[in-house]
Amino acid sequence: QQPVQSPQAVILREGEDAVINCSSSKALYSVHWYRQKHGEAPVFLMILLKGGEQKGHDKISASFNEKKQQSSLYLTASQLSYSGTYFCGTEMAGANSKLTFGKGITLSVRP
Amino acid sequence: DADVTQTPRNRITKTGKRIMLECSQTKGHDRMYWYRQDPGLGLRLIYYSFDVKDINKGEISDGYSVSRQAQAKFSLSLESAIPNQTALYFCANQAGPVDEQYFGPGTRLTVT
Repeated sequence: QQPVQSPQAVILREGEDAVINCSSSKALYSVHWYRQKHGEAPVFLMILLKGGEQKGHDKISASFNEKKQQSSLYLTASQLSYSGTYFCGTEMAGANSKLTFGKGITLSVRP
Repeated sequence: DADVTQTPRNRITKTGKRIMLECSQTKGHDRMYWYRQDPGLGLRLIYYSFDVKDINKGEISDGYSVSRQAQAKFSLSLESAIPNQTALYFCANQAGPVDEQYFGPGTRLTVT
């Protein structure tokens, strides 16, 4: 079951904040977040685990609502370098670590 | 990530041809994955392997096969390429089940 990411696209000015979301209809064990710049490979941002553990970059903030099976990524004081496509990958309970990725959210930060 | 290499980086081939995409990693990770990326569809899992003797189908394995030649090498083959296999292909590796995946630079494949 592919997770649903919202909104589809975000346009920001430098310094503005944004929240992007990832939702699943299935019970999740973990949510992974990656950012991909045009023509490049996806790069890891954050892992959020059931039970509250998080692993990732200190400057990235995210949450995982286990009741709603929803994760949110918080981008504060955005910089030009935040531009790219953000993918969430969800791991269902018992899925043996396989990730199912969403379609991605395109985020553009303008000067 | 420079620790993951994919060859070739770009390939144009004709319908019906057999083609192999290669992936090599120097991180010493047991877990390796092959994904394809199509515009607007995200990353879809083709095959994955958790060690040299372990091969598993992903969500879109039809028309593809893989070989895990060593811990560091994981190859993807298209036995008879078709145009709808035109896509960007990524391999990735991972240390453990709750660790980040490291992606290679990708192979852009065009089937005419």
